[in-house]
Amino acid sequence: EAQLLESGGGLVQPGGSLRLSCAASGFTFSSYTMSWVRQAPGKGLEWVSAFGGSDTSIYYADSVKDRFTISRDNSKNTLFLQMNSLRAGDSAVYYCAKVLRGYSPDQFDHWGPGTLVTVSS
Amino acid sequence: QSVLTQPPSVSAAPGQKVTISCSGSTSNIGNNYVSWYQQLPGTAPKLLIYDNNNRPSGIPDRFSGSKSGTSATLGITGLQTGDEADYYCGTWDSSLSAAVFGGGTKLTVL
Repeated sequence: EAQLLESGGGLVQPGGSLRLSCAASGFTFSSYTMSWVRQAPGKGLEWVSAFGGSDTSIYYADSVKDRFTISRDNSKNTLFLQMNSLRAGDSAVYYCAKVLRGYSPDQFDHWGPGTLVTVSS
Repeated sequence: QSVLTQPPSVSAAPGQKVTISCSGSTSNIGNNYVSWYQQLPGTAPKLLIYDNNNRPSGIPDRFSGSKSGTSATLGITGLQTGDEADYYCGTWDSSLSAAVFGGGTKLTVL
């Protein structure tokens, strides 16, 4: 059974940086697109970014483009999200999610428990 | 403002049926698969429906999905108090090159 576990969240000041990690197990990590999805307190789900089968299959939401960078280390079964120039509006629980089918870009069949990011002075 | 439009809330009595709508456009629902997620309070989302109308193993057949044109619908029959949750539709938007979700619908089982 696939399992995902995020880490790296915490309190950071506006303009600061944070790096999230997602440790994966129970499936062939390199064979699936992986994504980050966030949820601000009391709000709905917002897709953030996805990393497919290669560097040419990287996607970002407009709200984080040029500030966030997604990467993955297939040798360590780990997904990352480097977040720079953080704003109050980036405060949310960040979920790591695995897609259902190969390198398809969406339809998420496994989710981690999430890690909370709070941007505040 | 979400790309996909869902009603903020729906309610029904135990044992009854409820439907949740999700409206989009040709760049998203009209040309891509729709998935549905259930989020119980304080937990991560859970995949309920994929490929418009398929259920992952372990999801009871009380949950169903359908799609017509640029709209999709989640149906839940035999409502139970344990079904009280937020429900989200999702798909890929080919124009945005982004995954998109509806704003979510809170289901109350009266």
